[in-house]
Amino acid sequence: NAGVTQTPKFRILKIGQSMTLQCTQDMNHNYMYWYRQDPGMGLKLIYYSVGAGITDKGEVPNGYNVSRSTTEDFPLRLELAAPSQTSVYFCASQRRGTGLVDTQYFGPGTRLTVL
Amino acid sequence: TQLLEQSPQFLSIQEGENLTVYCNSSSVFSSLQWYRQEPGEGPVLLVTVVTGGEVKKLKRLTFQFGDARKDSSLHITAAQPGDTGLYLCAGASTGTYKYIFGTGTRLKVLA
Repeated sequence: NAGVTQTPKFRILKIGQSMTLQCTQDMNHNYMYWYRQDPGMGLKLIYYSVGAGITDKGEVPNGYNVSRSTTEDFPLRLELAAPSQTSVYFCASQRRGTGLVDTQYFGPGTRLTVL
Repeated sequence: TQLLEQSPQFLSIQEGENLTVYCNSSSVFSSLQWYRQEPGEGPVLLVTVVTGGEVKKLKRLTFQFGDARKDSSLHITAAQPGDTGLYLCAGASTGTYKYIFGTGTRLKVLA
């Protein structure tokens, strides 16, 4: 199994440009998450989804949008990129997301720089 | 707003030394997880604790969940260079699917 895959690995954007970060998991997990990690810091939750067609905001949703049309895919859309969105973005999936004993599996991350 | 504070923020020790990392909050969590992250990679789960007062051991690593489920600690015995990395705690509250991550502890073990 590939687990959680993310594309692209690296991207440089100009201020005001838009892009979509792709995330796919092949473990048939219901729950998926998008986090951002600024240098030397922990992770902050951007958006999450508990199943196809259902999404909700996390701690830092402003400037981002998500959709979940299938169980496997959970793309993150950046509209009007700003320097404050320079970060490493991680996608994660989890089988049930009850917050008890299920493991979150993380992708390798997308390193985004906005100039 | 729920916060998880980790201490220390940075730790540099010699191989063979012991260390403890703390994860503290004013909020109650239904479960708490510890992750290790290496440069250029995503976090990898080490352990999940769910019961107040619970202690779990993973080889040289000992994890404890506070009685009130507001804090946790990670103790490493006889640290090795392979333990080097960023250690993150993450908590989930009852009835939510959202995880709050701690601020992280960057550990460097010198040979």
